[in-house]
Amino acid sequence: AAGVIQSPRHLIKEKRETATLKCYPIPRHDTVYWYQQGPGQDPQFLISFYEKMQSDKGSIPDRFSAQQFSDYHSELNMSSLELGDSALYFCASSLIRMGDRVHEQYFGPGTRLTVT
Amino acid sequence: LAKTTQPISMDSYEGQEVNITCSHNNIATNDYITWYQQFPSQGPRFIIQGYKTKVTNEVASLFIPADRKSSTLSLPRVSLSDTAVYYCLVGVNTGGFKTIFGAGTRLFVKA
Repeated sequence: AAGVIQSPRHLIKEKRETATLKCYPIPRHDTVYWYQQGPGQDPQFLISFYEKMQSDKGSIPDRFSAQQFSDYHSELNMSSLELGDSALYFCASSLIRMGDRVHEQYFGPGTRLTVT
Repeated sequence: LAKTTQPISMDSYEGQEVNITCSHNNIATNDYITWYQQFPSQGPRFIIQGYKTKVTNEVASLFIPADRKSSTLSLPRVSLSDTAVYYCLVGVNTGGFKTIFGAGTRLFVKA
């Protein structure tokens, strides 16, 4: 079965540079989530999109922005990178069925970002 | 979103049943309880979800008492490959899609 695809899988950037992470949700999934997970930490919710519109925001820095495109893929743009941005970035997708109160999220393999 | 509290870590041996309890004293009427499993350097994986009483699937069981202020994830006959972090999440999709992972439980299964 198709899974969530993230690219690149690994990325090395220097401080103050920019980075763009891409997420391709499972086909027909309409919701995308972004999470940041630092070393030894728990996943932190950043932002989510439903039907190409921003749905919720978490602890996403102002230096970060994201969007979901017409083909439902999403991109997380990170500017003025800091050493503390080094982390695993996960994208997840889900399908919202009418009447569902909660829904299962399917996570991608993650992008490991290293800022030097 | 209801705050959850889980044990930081647990140890077990292969073949044993493991029960991980999550406290969520301020759970709301419409909240559901969801458990995820995460292996190192991998994304979390959905295990089970429930609202009340007992839910069972091919992987685990979820026990929720009548007051719903806690829940217990039960893993039958664990193996070494069940060593992972287990997260309890409480919430409901009310038009927003914010998912909060609290501090999970690190389960170590020994031979």
